[in-house]
Amino acid sequence: AQSVTQLDSHVSVSEGTPVLLRCNYSSSYSPSLFWYVQHPNKGLQLLLKYTSAATLVKGINGFEAEFKKSETSFHLTKPSAHMSDAAEYFCVVGLYGGSQGNLIFGKGTKLSVKP
Amino acid sequence: GAVVSQHPSRVICKSGTSVKIECRSLDFQATTMFWYRQFPKQSLMLMATSNEGSKATYEQGVEKDKFLINHASLTLSTLTVTSAHPEDSSFYICSARDGTGQETQYFGPGTRLLVL
Repeated sequence: AQSVTQLDSHVSVSEGTPVLLRCNYSSSYSPSLFWYVQHPNKGLQLLLKYTSAATLVKGINGFEAEFKKSETSFHLTKPSAHMSDAAEYFCVVGLYGGSQGNLIFGKGTKLSVKP
Repeated sequence: GAVVSQHPSRVICKSGTSVKIECRSLDFQATTMFWYRQFPKQSLMLMATSNEGSKATYEQGVEKDKFLINHASLTLSTLTVTSAHPEDSSFYICSARDGTGQETQYFGPGTRLLVL
């Protein structure tokens, strides 16, 4: 069965410092993995996705994530945080499910950025 | 990228009334749409999956007679919360997937429902 664990419910960084949001997954198949960002009272925006191509995935707004099969991890990083990065981040596993293709969401990590 | 809209963005209604939420894919044809519910400070929970022209598939614990889903066209799905009660107050988010075989879902901006 597929599952996803976000190891930190809240991460706080200073503006200009690196960001690391951790995610571990469990999947019976070679998974599809996503990171989505949600700003307050907004819908979700896709940051990046891994679909068995390059293990280092570059996304929007300077974010990237590395798929490590040996560690079953898909951590999200950014070299330098910006105030506008403050939001909720969800790590998501995509299910292979024929016509459904459901997503399993992690519980989310709230990123705070201090000036 | 693909754009999904929802209408209304916010709705307040009295207990016992029904509320309809629309989800539209603006620049692609969505063969499958999904409806999620998000409680405050929690993650998204899938309510149902709808494929164009067929009945929706509901997740366990979701009352299909209370949350009516219609996916009448390739660009529109509607969620109707019937006889709404205060416990139905939540943030409802739809997503859409095109028919290319890709698993990426594109999310709408969400609808905040408050039932008084």
